[in-house]
Amino acid sequence: GEDVEQSLFLSVREGDSSVINCTYTDSSSTYLYWYKQEPGAGLQLLTYIFSNMDMKQDQRLTVLLNKKDKHLSLRIADTQTGDSAIYFCAEGMDSSYKLIFGSGTRLLVRP
Amino acid sequence: EAGVAQSPRYKIIEKRQSVAFWCNPISGHATLYWYQQILGQGPKLLIQFQNNGVVDDSQLPKDRFSAERLKGVDSTLKIQPAKLEDSAVYLCASRSNTDGYTFGSGTRLTVV
Repeated sequence: GEDVEQSLFLSVREGDSSVINCTYTDSSSTYLYWYKQEPGAGLQLLTYIFSNMDMKQDQRLTVLLNKKDKHLSLRIADTQTGDSAIYFCAEGMDSSYKLIFGSGTRLLVRP
Repeated sequence: EAGVAQSPRYKIIEKRQSVAFWCNPISGHATLYWYQQILGQGPKLLIQFQNNGVVDDSQLPKDRFSAERLKGVDSTLKIQPAKLEDSAVYLCASRSNTDGYTFGSGTRLTVV
């Protein structure tokens, strides 16, 4: 079956690193994505990783993928107050490219 | 480059009324998706079009929801009659092999 799970809430202090975790169930996923959603706004693609990769780094963002455990994480270095938002993990299904989203992790960055 | 346009931005209706949402995808994007995002949840796929044909509508409540994509460009999603549990943000997205996914800002529907 298709299921993506995330923890609901994370609070960090400004300047610290944030790590948001996600687990998924479908091993046929081709891509795994991280989206950011600010209040009242649409979904902003942050980064993605191919399922045959272990890690991807993009400026302050690092994505780690453990395909054996079906575990994905997003690390945000030097977290800023502007990073406060809801972060969604999503798996992209192979043939249709439809996205299966988790319920989102609300990140609160304290000054 | 213009993004995915959706209208209206907000809509409030009474239960049992009907409502329609409109989406204009990025030019040249053959694939169009409608997702429903209920408050506190992640988006869930309702229907996927490839050009003007339906690829996947397995999660669309067909007794009340309908969608079309005439001429393979714009799309409309209709709910008739609406229920309280249809209150959600309806997101349209389009995709191409070169550009990947782009989401619109969504239509926030409140059914009272």
